[in-house]
Amino acid sequence: QKEVEQNSGPLSVPEGAIASLNCTYSDRGSQSFFWYRQYSGKSPELIMSIYSNGDKEDGRFTAQLNKASQYVSLLIRDSQPSDSATYLCAVLNTGGFKTIFGAGTRLFVKA
Amino acid sequence: ETGVTQTPRHLVMGMTNKKSLKCEQHLGHNAMYWYKQSAKKPLELMFVYNFKEQTENNSVPSRFSPECPNSSHLFLHLHTLQPEDSALYLCASSQAQNSPTDTQYFGPGTRLTVL
Repeated sequence: QKEVEQNSGPLSVPEGAIASLNCTYSDRGSQSFFWYRQYSGKSPELIMSIYSNGDKEDGRFTAQLNKASQYVSLLIRDSQPSDSATYLCAVLNTGGFKTIFGAGTRLFVKA
Repeated sequence: ETGVTQTPRHLVMGMTNKKSLKCEQHLGHNAMYWYKQSAKKPLELMFVYNFKEQTENNSVPSRFSPECPNSSHLFLHLHTLQPEDSALYLCASSQAQNSPTDTQYFGPGTRLTVL
């Protein structure tokens, strides 16, 4: 079982729609969860972090965490073509010694 | 310069060459990281330095040798690499390892091609 698992996509949504990106993780003791965005040819940049169960909203982005189900998601409302990128889920493992990244989900927003 | 910088941005080397990658962070952070990113694979953590001490060596072959002379600089020395080592090498920094809210900031990466 992969430590952090994401659907590789591509996920294709029309402009203005809600994009839903999902991630599951195997380390039940994980405490910190991050979503990074990576444009083609660029390095990852943090867009959201979440540490407790529930939803966390920041502009058009909402991160959702369910520790019992070991599941974290990212919703992007009113998707724009500029949101087209690979989204990386990252989980800080138990003890905080290592951040494990998923392989990423490619999102394509059609104009 | 701000953020995390890496040089060179692109590097082509033969299997017998020796080269070094350089990373510098201007964020006042205490932890620095080397990652390898290959096509369609997750980011692979290679090395971690926390307050200049190496705290993680993720079973990386000895042909990769890190060096952290101070909290702002990190090097990756390369020698006798293999073609499968061709990848994007990313440097990152964070305030400190082990902090639950720690966020990593990435440099632009070095695209390495081994012939």
